[in-house]
Amino acid sequence: QVQVVESGGRLVKPGGSLRLSCSASGFLFTDYYMNWIRQAPGKGLEWVASISGSGSTTAYAGSVLGRFIISKDNAKRSVYLEMSTLGIEDTAVYYCARLDCGGDCQSDYWGQGTQVTVSS
Amino acid sequence: DIQMTQSPSSLSASIGDRVTITCRPSDTIDSFLNWYQHKPGKAPKLLIYGAVNLQTGVPSRFSGSASGTAFTLTIRSLQPDDFATYYCQQGYSTPYTFGQGTTLEIK
Repeated sequence: QVQVVESGGRLVKPGGSLRLSCSASGFLFTDYYMNWIRQAPGKGLEWVASISGSGSTTAYAGSVLGRFIISKDNAKRSVYLEMSTLGIEDTAVYYCARLDCGGDCQSDYWGQGTQVTVSS
Repeated sequence: DIQMTQSPSSLSASIGDRVTITCRPSDTIDSFLNWYQHKPGKAPKLLIYGAVNLQTGVPSRFSGSASGTAFTLTIRSLQPDDFATYYCQQGYSTPYTFGQGTTLEIK
């Protein structure tokens, strides 16, 4: 069965950097986009970034463009989110999800999330 | 960016009630509209994709529809497990924006 598991979240100081990892199994990894979505405390869901099955196409939310980089290692069946110049506003639970883009795109399998806290 | 306006922001209902949640995009998204259910501490769950398609394993009391530029999630005969926060999301173009969410509470 499809499984998605995030890791790497922790407490980090403002201005710092952090790399989140997402390990996927149960499907042909190179056939699917993957994406990151976050939820800040008391807020709704916010789409963050996506990457194509080959890794050649990426997209970002305006709020993270230039600070976050999404990448993947198909041999390790893993997706990464490299976050830099972190601000308090980046405090959130970060979810990794498979993105099924057969026509339109929807996140059909999600991980449980990893907590990122930006605080001095 | 396409803005998604979701209403209401909160809703109180009783077991067995029928409820509807509406989502309006700021620009055309064809029928590329998804609905998710989210409970605290859990992973969000895809309910409906392509405006009207029920995700595998989701109970048939959930349904999606489209009329003009508005999209609607309907839950027939509310069950205790349905009390959660619901989000729409457009899957038409990046950034894949979400609505603000609708919190469904027990009356």
